[in-house]
Amino acid sequence: QVQLVQSGAEVKKPGSSVRVSCEASGDTFSTYGFSWVRQAPRQGLEWMGGIIPIFDTPNYAQKFQGRVTITADESTSTTYMELSSLRSEDTAVYYCARHYKDTPMADYYFYYGMDVWGQGTTVTVSS
Amino acid sequence: DVQMTQSPSSLSASVGDRVTITCRASQSIRSFLNWYQQKSGKAPQLLIYAASTLQSGVPSRFSGSTSGTDFTLTISSLQPEDFATYYCQQTYKTPLTFGGGTKVEIK
Repeated sequence: QVQLVQSGAEVKKPGSSVRVSCEASGDTFSTYGFSWVRQAPRQGLEWMGGIIPIFDTPNYAQKFQGRVTITADESTSTTYMELSSLRSEDTAVYYCARHYKDTPMADYYFYYGMDVWGQGTTVTVSS
Repeated sequence: DVQMTQSPSSLSASVGDRVTITCRASQSIRSFLNWYQQKSGKAPQLLIYAASTLQSGVPSRFSGSTSGTDFTLTISSLQPEDFATYYCQQTYKTPLTFGGGTKVEIK
């Protein structure tokens, strides 16, 4: 059974950057789609972007273009999300999640919802 | 971007009640619609994908249906563990977008 384990909580200053990691264990990594989703305090869910490790081609929400970088390292089954130019509004819980597939080798990646989630990483941006 | 309009934003119900939550897409998303349950302080859990397919391990009291660009999540008989916030999400095209959420509270 796959698990996604994220890095620990971060406290950052405005204008700085944060990098959150998400390590997958127990199942195929490269042929799945992974998304990053954030949730500000008492707010809803917001998709930031995603990546398919085997193709190494990220896709970002327009809102975060230029500030977010999502990467994947197949050798360690880890995906990373880096957000730069942090401001107070970026204070949130950041989740990585893997998209469901019927079979590991099926050639679709983001069609279905996310069935495996990391535990979440709290990022606090404060001066 | 595809806008997902979810209603109601909150509701109060009793154990045993039938509960319906609706999500409307701003354009056709075919059946690329998912439903999640999120409990306080926890990551979301996938309940339904492809509009009406129950994720493995999810109780059968949860069901999903569609009519054009309108999608419905139904809980046939609300249980104490179902009090949570529910979100719809479209995965038809990027950016993947979520509805605003529906908080289901105890009456």
